Amino acid sequence: NAGVTQTPKFQVLKTGQSMTLQCAQDMNHNSMYWYRQDPGMGLRLIYYSASEGTTDKGEVPNGYNVSRLNKREFSLRLESAAPSQTSVYFCASSAKLLSYNEQFFGPGTRLTVL
Amino acid sequence: AQSVTQPDIHITVSEGASLELRCNYSYGATPYLFWYVQSPGQGLQLLLKYFSGDTLVQGIKGFEAEFKRSQSSFNLRKPSVHWSDAAEYFCAVGSRKGGGADGLTFGKGTHLIIQP
Repeated sequence: NAGVTQTPKFQVLKTGQSMTLQCAQDMNHNSMYWYRQDPGMGLRLIYYSASEGTTDKGEVPNGYNVSRLNKREFSLRLESAAPSQTSVYFCASSAKLLSYNEQFFGPGTRLTVL
Repeated sequence: AQSVTQPDIHITVSEGASLELRCNYSYGATPYLFWYVQSPGQGLQLLLKYFSGDTLVQGIKGFEAEFKRSQSSFNLRKPSVHWSDAAEYFCAVGSRKGGGADGLTFGKGTHLIIQP
């Protein structure tokens, strides 16, 4: 079991470029999440997918789009990157069993936008 | 909206001393509560969680936390810290709405430094 995997691990973009961050989980979890982590800010929820076929905005969705490709995969797209999107991005998943919300996190993608 | 406050940005503790990290939350009902640990350059690892029942919960690595409804707190404790406990600690709250599938709200974290 690899758990939650993310690609790439590191990425440098120029302002205005686009890219997609990939996330996959092999735990048969229903729910998946994207967070960003900035110094002194903790983690903030960007988007989540409670189940396959659904997506919802979190606290900081502006500038991002997501796709729940199937039950395993949940991608995050930056259409036109901005320096304010320099951050570490974490994907997470949860089983949504018994109505609790324990989340398992991937190793993160460190993104720098110049 | 729910929120989490971790009042201490940095805490320095001597190796072998006891530790308490504070967490206060704001939520309209009893939330799901979590403590995660993040080592430098790593992802987040769950230390412990509270859903219901016994208000003192045990976690991994010798950590425990106590849910106090009257104080809206969920403080993390360890009787004797080890140098390997140096890390960033995050308290998080989850909503019981939406079947528990909503995202978590995190505090800003407490950076733990261990002195030899």
